[in-house]
Amino acid sequence: EVQLVESGGGLIQPGGSLRLSCAASGFTVSGNYMSWVRQAPGKGLEWVSVIYSGGSTYYADSVKGRFTISRDNSKNALDLQMDSLRVEDTAVYYCARGQPPATGIGYYFDYWGQGILVTVSS
Amino acid sequence: QTVVTQEPSFSVSPGGKVTLTCGLNSGSVSTDYYPSWYQQTPGQAPRTLIYSTNTRSSGVPNRFSGSILGNKAVLTITGAQADDECDYYCVLYMGRGISVFGGGTKLTVL
Repeated sequence: EVQLVESGGGLIQPGGSLRLSCAASGFTVSGNYMSWVRQAPGKGLEWVSVIYSGGSTYYADSVKGRFTISRDNSKNALDLQMDSLRVEDTAVYYCARGQPPATGIGYYFDYWGQGILVTVSS
Repeated sequence: QTVVTQEPSFSVSPGGKVTLTCGLNSGSVSTDYYPSWYQQTPGQAPRTLIYSTNTRSSGVPNRFSGSILGNKAVLTITGAQADDECDYYCVLYMGRGISVFGGGTKLTVL
């Protein structure tokens, strides 16, 4: 059974750093596309970042240069290092597995974690 | 800047049919954007409904269907039920690893 469990959230001051982790079971993180999606309180979903199975990484403009997505293969986990945090980064962060289509490019999200809250506030 | 558009809200009667749309602020949506659809109830993680325009995810009832209609991707729900009342999001793949969510549609069944 595929499971994704996020950890590492909490309250952090603006300008601070936080590292989220997503422990996966039922599949290998390194062999799949993995992504982070966030949702600010009362708002819609926002794609944050993806790491392809080959290691390529991509980011939304809103986090580029501040967030870093990576894999911890020894733990079968996905990480998100968040630096220079801003109030507007406050959100529930979801880990999601990306699945490429049978033919073509891109990916969709087939499994989701339950999410972890990050609050950026002074 | 790419904006994926969705109706902010929509209403449907129980047993009725509703079509939610997913468009682009500039240009047309085609299968090349691999549109996918997600359902989210408050406080819960999203659930995958449709991917690659019209493929239902495992376990999704066949009253949910996806297609391209005109210049938009659409999610059609036939025979709406009370527990379909929640938020629906579309996602378009924009290339170079980038995915963009629409703003979501809050569906009311009444």
